[in-house]
Amino acid sequence: GENVEQHPSTLSVQEGDSAVIKCTYSDSASNYFPWYKQELGKRPQLIIDIRSNVGEKKDQRIAVTLNKTAKHFSLHITETQPEDSAVYFCAADTHNTNAGKSTFGDGTTLTVKP
Amino acid sequence: DSGVTQTPKHLITATGQRVTLRCSPRSGDLSVYWYQQSLDQGLQFLIQYYNGEERAKGNILERFSAQQFPDLHSELNLSSLELGDSALYFCASSRTSGGAPYNEQFFGPGTRLTVL
Repeated sequence: GENVEQHPSTLSVQEGDSAVIKCTYSDSASNYFPWYKQELGKRPQLIIDIRSNVGEKKDQRIAVTLNKTAKHFSLHITETQPEDSAVYFCAADTHNTNAGKSTFGDGTTLTVKP
Repeated sequence: DSGVTQTPKHLITATGQRVTLRCSPRSGDLSVYWYQQSLDQGLQFLIQYYNGEERAKGNILERFSAQQFPDLHSELNLSSLELGDSALYFCASSRTSGGAPYNEQFFGPGTRLTVL
């Protein structure tokens, strides 16, 4: 089955700096890669996603890159703010016509120091 | 608010017992996913249902079972509970079963299960 590794497990940055979280996956059939943000005590929420036919996607301060050959994808947050502090999960999804199965990374706890 | 509801919010029970967690998907969503999140752990995919049928299975124990009803709500049944089953259980829903479009999963608030 799919295996997703996420690094680092914790990340501390100064407000205004950039943060990068990296994930690798094992199943070449994975074709959809969402990123979720989970604030303390709350539900995970999708912040950005990328499909396997796209190499990069950007949404304001957040960007995701995908290297299908190397089977890795990364989340980039620029100009970090204290409210970016949360746990971030990457996932690799194998969507076919019948089912979607998500394999999540173990999460990265991001702390942005004011 | 994602539109996904889960009940109960908290559940405290004893080892060996059986509990049922309930999830109502967003209006119009046909897929329901169940996840387990243990303390300081990531999200473990348990099972997916689409329009009443099981579509994908993850690391779900044999003591756990789920179903999706005609009105599309879903229940996760946990039996012979052990201390290690204490966790936050999330339900998520999405519009389709997969394929195109690559649809977003909307998570419910979770049910916190404590097994004593």
